[in-house]
Amino acid sequence: DIQLTQSPSFLSASVGDRVTITCRASQGISTYLVWFQQNPGKAPKLLIYAASTLQSGVPSRFSGNGSGTDFTLTISSLQPEDFATYYCHQVDSYPLTFGGGTKVEIK
Amino acid sequence: EGQLVESGGGLVQPGGSLRLSCIASGLSFSSYWMTWVRQVPGRGLEWVANIKQDGSEKHYVDSVKGRFTISRDNAKNSLFLQMDSLRVEDTAVYYCAGGAFNMWGQGTMVTVSS
Repeated sequence: DIQLTQSPSFLSASVGDRVTITCRASQGISTYLVWFQQNPGKAPKLLIYAASTLQSGVPSRFSGNGSGTDFTLTISSLQPEDFATYYCHQVDSYPLTFGGGTKVEIK
Repeated sequence: EGQLVESGGGLVQPGGSLRLSCIASGLSFSSYWMTWVRQVPGRGLEWVANIKQDGSEKHYVDSVKGRFTISRDNAKNSLFLQMDSLRVEDTAVYYCAGGAFNMWGQGTMVTVSS
């Protein structure tokens, strides 16, 4: 199984900060990586697919990068509505797997 | 815009069964792979199973193989998850997702407890 390791698991930041979350795969997955945002009690929301393609309607302050084993999700200027938990998800091979999540909280 | 609505969750004893349903509206259901994802409250996401558009291909996480069965009825825009031999560790919120993960239901809670 492909393991996805997200770091950090928790980060504290302020509105306006630039934030980067890392997702490392245990083996190469090309660009078969998806990023989700989840708020408490809500379903996940798709942010980015194919590692770097922004889902329609998602603000341009979100960006994704990477291929192979190393991926990043960057929020260029953190907004109040961005305080949430973020998950990476590989869709390269079965069983599909998720990273452990990164909780972004207000400093 | 498309909508997915899950139902069928509840409290069941270990070893029991439940059948989850996910009804789609406002989307071309038969065009999409469909997926079940679960989440223990306060914990991370776990992919459970998915099914191809015509039902000809199905995949499962190892922990549910032989116990859970995913199926679909395209004529009724419906996705199902038959869960047998339930264990305490299956307790979670179960979400259906589709359309390349850009559509999710609200989730249905499954509690396995004696």
